[in-house]
Amino acid sequence: EPEVTQTPSHQVTQMGQEVILRCVPISNHLYFYWYRQILGQKVEFLVSFYNNEISEKSEIFDDQFSVERPDGSNFTLKIRSTKLEDSAMYFCASRTRTGGRGETQYFGPGTRLLVL
Amino acid sequence: AQSVAQPEDQVNVAEGNPLTVKCTYSVSGNPYLFWYVQYPNRGLQFLLKYITGDNLVKGSYGFEAEFNKSQTSFHLKKPSALVSDSALYFCAVRDPNDYKLSFGAGTTVTVRA
Repeated sequence: EPEVTQTPSHQVTQMGQEVILRCVPISNHLYFYWYRQILGQKVEFLVSFYNNEISEKSEIFDDQFSVERPDGSNFTLKIRSTKLEDSAMYFCASRTRTGGRGETQYFGPGTRLLVL
Repeated sequence: AQSVAQPEDQVNVAEGNPLTVKCTYSVSGNPYLFWYVQYPNRGLQFLLKYITGDNLVKGSYGFEAEFNKSQTSFHLKKPSALVSDSALYFCAVRDPNDYKLSFGAGTTVTVRA
């Protein structure tokens, strides 16, 4: 069964450094998402992406964040200058289309980011 | 804005007993409701969803959920729990006009042998 994959599984970085989190969505999916979960807190929406542009973003997704689909398979989240409070588990998700089975977002295993 | 609440941080049941994980929602309009499960060091796995139709929704691994519009609830149930059902369960809602998911805080289920 196709799965969303994410790399790396763990990333440790110094405050102020740039990080890029990578995701490979399920191949026929068209809508892509990033969520994050700070330890002990809710899973929070960051951004949605469709047709090579951002569809929606949350207040968390400020100018330090960017997303890109550099080729036909990868979907990346870049944090330009990491802060301590960016430490979290980051989940990528994808879905096919609107309506019916397309409503289900399938999640990757997550990247645990630790900013020191 | 849409939201869900999971009133119980933890649910403990004995193997073979019924399992219920509670979720209530708040949306304007008709809700799209989801349940996901997270095993240790794993991602969020989709269990089931309610979009429209029958109020009783059947999903993966023997789970089902009942949509109750008057009580604004979408409780997850399993008639006979297994030790392997021990995990963190999340309820989520999507407003029909908005495609992002809003998650509850999660409920840790422990099934003892």
